[in-house]
Amino acid sequence: KAGVTQTPRYLIKTRGQQVTLSCSPISGHRSVSWYQQTPGQGLQFLFEYFSETQRNKGNFPGRFSGRQFSNSRSEMNVSTLELGDSALYLCASSRDTDQTEAFFGQGTRLTVV
Amino acid sequence: AQTVTQSQPEMSVQEAETVTLSCTYDTSESDYYLFWYKQPPSRQMILVIRQEAYKQQNATENRFSVNFQKAAKSFSLKISDSQLGDAAMYFCAYRSPIVLGNEKLTFGTGTRLTIIP
Repeated sequence: KAGVTQTPRYLIKTRGQQVTLSCSPISGHRSVSWYQQTPGQGLQFLFEYFSETQRNKGNFPGRFSGRQFSNSRSEMNVSTLELGDSALYLCASSRDTDQTEAFFGQGTRLTVV
Repeated sequence: AQTVTQSQPEMSVQEAETVTLSCTYDTSESDYYLFWYKQPPSRQMILVIRQEAYKQQNATENRFSVNFQKAAKSFSLKISDSQLGDAAMYFCAYRSPIVLGNEKLTFGTGTRLTIIP
């Protein structure tokens, strides 16, 4: 059974550009969550999607957005990149029920220069 | 809002010995879930163990066990017979039940565990 797949693994962008990250959840999982991990702020929740609807959103500016497709794959987009957006972005998937286990991908390392 | 505190930024233990990582949390909810995740240098977060708050019995997974003290809001992880492969960052995390509509995991700041051969 394939795990959570995040692409790309590494990304270097310039300030002001935008970026799109992709996450393919485990087959059968309908919930996808995104987290930002930085040395200074730790792991912070960005948003969570379930059945193509955003169910929860963290405290991030509107430059951060996401969506989920009918096959549960999710993308997150960051517009007008800032140096502070450099981080490891982690995606996690879980089933619909109150099954609580979230499975994480290996993350996308974004560097903004 | 829920908060999770890990007061030990770094810990080290001799191979084959036992180590305990501490975690405290703050919440007004009576039902919730607690987790320990491991993040090795490969960066992938791996679930080590989970505990449902309504269960009084402490969770155990092979060499990993927890000491869950609900009244004290404490959730420590004990690793027995430490192995070199246990070296990683360990994160304590909290989650509300789905019924409350808050799926997110709230993480602590992590504890870096070093295993001394």
